[in-house]
Order: sequence, then C-alpha cells, then structure tokens
Amino acid sequence: DVKVTQSSRYLVKRTGEKVFLECVQDMDHENMFWYRQDPGLGLRLIYFSYDVKMKEKGDIPEGYSVSREKKERFSLILESASTNQTSMYLCASTGTYEQYFGPGTRLTVT
Amino acid sequence: TQLLEQSPQFLSIQEGENLTVYCNSSSVFSSLQWYRQEPGEGPVLLVTVVTGGEVKKLKRLTFQFGDARKDSSLHITAAQPGDTGLYLCAGPKSFQKLVFGTGTRLLVSP
Repeated sequence: DVKVTQSSRYLVKRTGEKVFLECVQDMDHENMFWYRQDPGLGLRLIYFSYDVKMKEKGDIPEGYSVSREKKERFSLILESASTNQTSMYLCASTGTYEQYFGPGTRLTVT
Repeated sequence: TQLLEQSPQFLSIQEGENLTVYCNSSSVFSSLQWYRQEPGEGPVLLVTVVTGGEVKKLKRLTFQFGDARKDSSLHITAAQPGDTGLYLCAGPKSFQKLVFGTGTRLLVSP
C-alpha cells in the first residue's frame, strides 16, 4: 500500500513564525505536490517537485517555499506565517496521474 | 485556463436515496478522475474514466464520462452513511499535475 505521511495533523502557530510542514512517501515516486484546501475553493497547488532538488511554482506560491533534499521527503515552508495561511495543507505523490494523498495538516495561524 | 465546476456544492439526503453529482468543463480532458475525501483524511482515488461515453461501476457508484470528454457524472444508488464525504473530480493539466473541481459535499443521514 502506498503511504504518504505528514508530520502533524494539527498545528497552531503565531503570526510571523516560520513553519515547516513535512511530507514523506514510501513509493519511490518522483513527483510530489503541496496543496492547500479551503472551503469553496477546492484544492489549489502551491508547489510541485518532479525530482530531488527540482521544484516548480504552482498556482499560489506566494508566502511559501519548498525543499526536496531526498526523493521521499518534500517540505513546505511558511517563511513568516500569516493569518490568511490558516488552512488545510495536503501533500500528495504520484507515479502517473493517480495522486496519493497524506491525511493533511490543519494549520491555524493566530 | 482549465476549470472544473461541480454541482451541487452540498447535498444532504436520507439513507436509501439516489443522487447524482456533476463535473463540467468548457475544456476537453483526456481523462477524468473522481476522488472521495472523508472527514479528517486526504482524498482517495475512486476511479479514472478515459474514453468518451465510458461508464464504470464501483458497487453502488456509477461514473460516466461525457461523449465530448468535457463532463462527467457520479451516480450513487441507495446511498449509505458511509458514502458521506467530499467528492472531487480532477483532470490532467500538464506534466503529472491535476486540476481539481470545487467539490461536492455529501451528507447521508441514517
């Protein structure tokens, strides 16, 4: 079974803090994604990585950066968290077009 | 820009009822996927339809891809509380990326 794990299910941070969200997959997939999910807006792609150290901006990259030092791990970084970044964050990996998702991290920025 | 519009946004029904969820676009897609996301979890792939006019069945769920490959529907027969969740359609965008629909939130009450 494909497994995508995320470091935290729930996270509460203060405005201005640097936040790290970690994602690990065990299927040797080359492609990994970070999305945020907000009611009425669906899933929006933040960043995409197609190989180690390779990344591409998605539809809403502002305020975020990513790191992919190892194939199995893809990290999302909020450089200075803001209240409008309160959201559900989903990580996914894929070998083809089927995407396997982690359980999500619900981040609240106060 | 490829967009996927889903309707209805919300559906609250009683156990045993039938329902249909729609996914529409003005763009042609080579395939469409349907995912279900249960509360507190990430989306899980249900099915991929690839041929115009294709019908796929998964127990009580019937998926159809429009002849022109611009739309898809999901029909659930005799809904059960276990069908409760967020249903998302998704189509390939480019290089392993997907564009997701806005989602239909289904609540099936006993």
